[in-house]
Amino acid sequence: ETGVTQSPTHLIKTRGQQVTLRCSSQSGHNTVSWYQQALGQGPQFIFQYYREEKNGRGNFPPRFSGLQFPNYSSELNVNALELDDSALYLCASSLDGGPQHFGDGTRLSIL
Amino acid sequence: GEDVEQSLFLSVREGDSSVINCTYTDSSSTYLYWYKQEPGAGLQLLTYIFSNMDMKQDQRLTVLLNKKDKHLSLRIADTQTGDSAIYFCAESSRPPDLNGATNKLIFGTGTLLAVQP
Repeated sequence: ETGVTQSPTHLIKTRGQQVTLRCSSQSGHNTVSWYQQALGQGPQFIFQYYREEKNGRGNFPPRFSGLQFPNYSSELNVNALELDDSALYLCASSLDGGPQHFGDGTRLSIL
Repeated sequence: GEDVEQSLFLSVREGDSSVINCTYTDSSSTYLYWYKQEPGAGLQLLTYIFSNMDMKQDQRLTVLLNKKDKHLSLRIADTQTGDSAIYFCAESSRPPDLNGATNKLIFGTGTLLAVQP
């Protein structure tokens, strides 16, 4: 059974640029959730996708967007990057109402 | 509102028991989770408990839930140096919706567990 995988592992961008982060869900899972974890903090919910439909959104601006593909993998897109976007971005997958399993995250640094 | 609080730091000696505490405010919480995060890694699901349970035991881990006080604890028996990590408590504020998807997790700020040899 393949777990949740995220790519890339690290990324450095400058202010104003755009970034796409990718997540492959665990085999058999149909739901993907994205979280932002700032240094020293707990993860904050960005949004969730269930069977290719958005299923809830946290308190993040519209420049954070995403999608889920038919194979249930997912992308997180962030436009007009700001310094405060520097964080660990975590993807979690689950099956219907089951527990969420996390990948190792993408470390995004904004210069 | 939704809020989860944890103490910041716990230090124990190898072989002792560790108890990590968590309080939450949302009375509609139905699922409560414990995750472990090692340096540079993602979150590893350790265990979870439904709100209609008081206790759950899984090998060295024991979860206790006091719904009246909205208090959750994680006990690690025979703590090892490999248990050193940050432990997050999280609650899911609503039960799965009609289409079966999991709802968002609300996390605490994490408790750093340091195990002294």
